[in-house]
Amino acid sequence: DIQMTQSPSSVSASVGDRVTITCRASQDINKYLAWYQQKPGKAPQLLIYGASNLQGGVPSRFSGSGSGTDFTLTISSLQPEDFATYYCQKANSFLFTFGPGTKVEIK
Amino acid sequence: EVQLVESGGALVQPGGSLRLSCAASGFTVSSHYMSWVRQAPGQGLEWVSVIYTGGSAYYAESVKGRFTISRDNSKNTLFLQMTNLRADDTAVYFCARALYLSVGYLDSWGQGTLVSVSS
Repeated sequence: DIQMTQSPSSVSASVGDRVTITCRASQDINKYLAWYQQKPGKAPQLLIYGASNLQGGVPSRFSGSGSGTDFTLTISSLQPEDFATYYCQKANSFLFTFGPGTKVEIK
Repeated sequence: EVQLVESGGALVQPGGSLRLSCAASGFTVSSHYMSWVRQAPGQGLEWVSVIYTGGSAYYAESVKGRFTISRDNSKNTLFLQMTNLRADDTAVYFCARALYLSVGYLDSWGQGTLVSVSS
């Protein structure tokens, strides 16, 4: 089975900072990669699909890139509402494995 | 407006069974790939199962043979039948809809229902 890893596991940042989160797949998944944001006690929200496509209603400060095994989620200018946990997910075949998550905390 | 509402979560003893429901509105369940995802207390997300528009179903290894995903098109509702429950099945269970014509990109989620497995 394909395994998903993320780094860092947590990051402390200030409002206005640029934040980059990395996701790695253990095998080539082409561009079948999604990113989700989850706040405590809430359901996840789809941010990016197809590695780089912004889901409707998601602010443009979020962007995704990568293909194959290495992917990146970037928040260009961190806002107060962006403090949350972020998960990547492989979306090819039928085992939609999530990464372990990256918690973005206030510095 | 798309809405997913889970129900059926409860406290159950190890070895017991439970059926979760996910009532959908604002779209047709049979026209989308639908998944169940769970989250153990304080832990990350774990994908559990998917049902394709054609009816094929797939499961994570951790639940294969114990859980069954299904849907009732007349009620526009998704189900997850869980048997032989174990303590490590304790989690909030979310149902989620995939983006139209995609399988794994989950664009709408319910609020979740809590399953606790304990004696």
